[in-house]
This record gives sequence, C-alpha cells and structure tokens, in this order.
Amino acid sequence: EAGVAQSPRYKIIEKRQSVAFWCNPISGHATLYWYQQILGQGPKLLIQFQNNGVVDDSQLPKDRFSAERLKGVDSTLKIQPAKLEDSAVYLCASSPTSLAPLGGYTFGSGTRLTVV
Amino acid sequence: DQQVKQNSPSLSVQEGRISILNCDYTNSMFDYFLWYKKYPAEGPTFLISISSIKDKNEDGRFTVFLNKSAKHLSLHIVPSQPGDSAVYFCAAMDSNYQLIWGAGTKLIIKP
Repeated sequence: EAGVAQSPRYKIIEKRQSVAFWCNPISGHATLYWYQQILGQGPKLLIQFQNNGVVDDSQLPKDRFSAERLKGVDSTLKIQPAKLEDSAVYLCASSPTSLAPLGGYTFGSGTRLTVV
Repeated sequence: DQQVKQNSPSLSVQEGRISILNCDYTNSMFDYFLWYKKYPAEGPTFLISISSIKDKNEDGRFTVFLNKSAKHLSLHIVPSQPGDSAVYFCAAMDSNYQLIWGAGTKLIIKP
C-alpha cells in the first residue's frame, strides 16, 4: 500500500510571501489531517477533513491559512502571507475514518518550511 | 496549557538495557493513549496504544503502562536496540477523537 505523499519536502520563502503544500492520502482513506510541528514541540492539528468536508478547523489561523480538499482525495494547505513563526514541519496524515485512529494515523514525511 | 507533557527532552540508554519513556497528562477524560516513533525527515509512525480501562499493553519489546490515579503512562523498550534511536511522542485521544500530543523525547541508544 502506498503511503501518504507530500510535496515539496522542503521550502524556503521570505516573510510575506505565499506558499502551498500538497498531500495525497492513502487510497480510500476518508479522513485527512494537516498538522503543524514546530521544532521542539508535538504536532498541532490545523484542520481535519472527512471526505471533502471540514470536521475541525478551530486551530487554523484563518487570516493567513487556508486548506481545501475539493474532490475528497488530494488536499492543499496554503499560507498567505507567511510569517517567521510559520517556520515548521507541516505534516499530512490520513485514516480510514475519523472514528478509528486507535491504530494510528498514517503520516506523510512532511514539508519543512523555513520563513526568512 | 499543556495537557500532555513529556518532561524529558532526551534520554540516553545503553544497547541491550531497558529504555523507559515517561508521559504525564492532566485530563482524566482521555480515553486512549498512543505512542508514536519519529525518525529524522520522516513522519511519525504508530507504535503502540492503550485504552484507559487497561493498565498494561504489550507488543514484542514494547510495553506501555498506564497509571490513571497518577495520570501517568510510560513506554518500556527492552532490550533497547540501535534502531530504536528516534523521537518518541506520547499522544492522548480526547472525546472528539482528536490527538493531543506531547513535545517528544529523543531516545539515543548507545552501542
């Protein structure tokens, strides 16, 4: 089974620029998550999708962050404009349903964003 | 307000000995607890979990212990192997099936 694919692996941008990340979850996984992991901290959930609908985006800074999953498969996360504090690894994860994460989500390798 | 805390940023253990990673939590309503392992430049991978109705779960070299009265859980790895060197995250599942993560402990296995 192919894993969760993310691109790009690394991105360096200047503050106030925009950036987009892409995620392709495991085939058939209805639930998709975007996490932000700042160095030295655990992952923080930004947004959770169930198919193409948003389940939870309470921790997404909506003034600058946006995410979509139009066809219920791939997803993109965008930051516009970026701030220095957005430097982090952005992880995408998927699971078969939102109610069955006991075996754990499957994470992608992440995108490391550096804002200078 | 950190609901899940891993107070040791790093831990160094001799190969073949036991590694014990600790995690404390504040919310007594958490239903499940999970441990994830993360290698550099990779995403976290699921390792082992435990339900709040149990006090122990074992899977090969990995055992997780839960002390609900102390709001404390620990992951035991025995014997420790060089490939166990990684960052270990403790996570708790809330009533909305969301995971609340600790900051991680970097485990270094010395040959």
